[in-house]
Amino acid sequence: AQSVTQPDIHITVSEGASLELRCNYSYGATPYLFWYVQSPGQGLQLLLKYFSGDTLVQGIKGFEAEFKRSQSSFNLRKPSVHWSDAAEYFCAVGANTDKLIFGTGTRLQVFP
Amino acid sequence: GAVVSQHPSWVICKSGTSVKIECRSLDFQATTMFWYRQFPKQSLMLMATSNEGSKATYEQGVEKDKFLINHASLTLSTLTVTSAHPEDSSFYICSARGNSGRAQDTQYFGPGTRLTVL
Repeated sequence: AQSVTQPDIHITVSEGASLELRCNYSYGATPYLFWYVQSPGQGLQLLLKYFSGDTLVQGIKGFEAEFKRSQSSFNLRKPSVHWSDAAEYFCAVGANTDKLIFGTGTRLQVFP
Repeated sequence: GAVVSQHPSWVICKSGTSVKIECRSLDFQATTMFWYRQFPKQSLMLMATSNEGSKATYEQGVEKDKFLINHASLTLSTLTVTSAHPEDSSFYICSARGNSGRAQDTQYFGPGTRLTVL
């Protein structure tokens, strides 16, 4: 069955610390991969996406993600977290850009 | 660019009434729109996909007679929850994808609508 797992429901980091949010997927073929961020009361904003090519993808707001086929993972990273990064982060996969399967999300809390 | 709006942002209604939610693409033509439902502490679940001028395609388990979707123009899709009941209370999110330019290969999401049925 196709699925996305975000093992960490809630993560707390100090401002300025590095961050890694985990995403593992189960899919029949190499999927399209996405990371979205959702702030309270707002819609999902695309951080980055991977379709093919270089497995290290750069996104907005200083985020990057690395596709590791052998581990079926697409972890999101940021070297130095800002207080404004506090939000809910969703990983999503799909055969294309249409039928996306979302993970349950990871809530990021940032302490000053 | 690629902004999607939803209206209303929240709605409270009595059981048995119908509620309409609008989803608009503000700066691009959305050939395809998607409707999701999000339960607390759960992921987004795709309800249906609609293409402009065509009937919506519903996901398995979603009642098409209960969740009416209309995509009459390239910038507007509506979701009507008919005869709403408390179990329909949820956060409904739409997204849109265009057929050219920046909006072609990504879904852009609206801010969501919180529906509470009393």
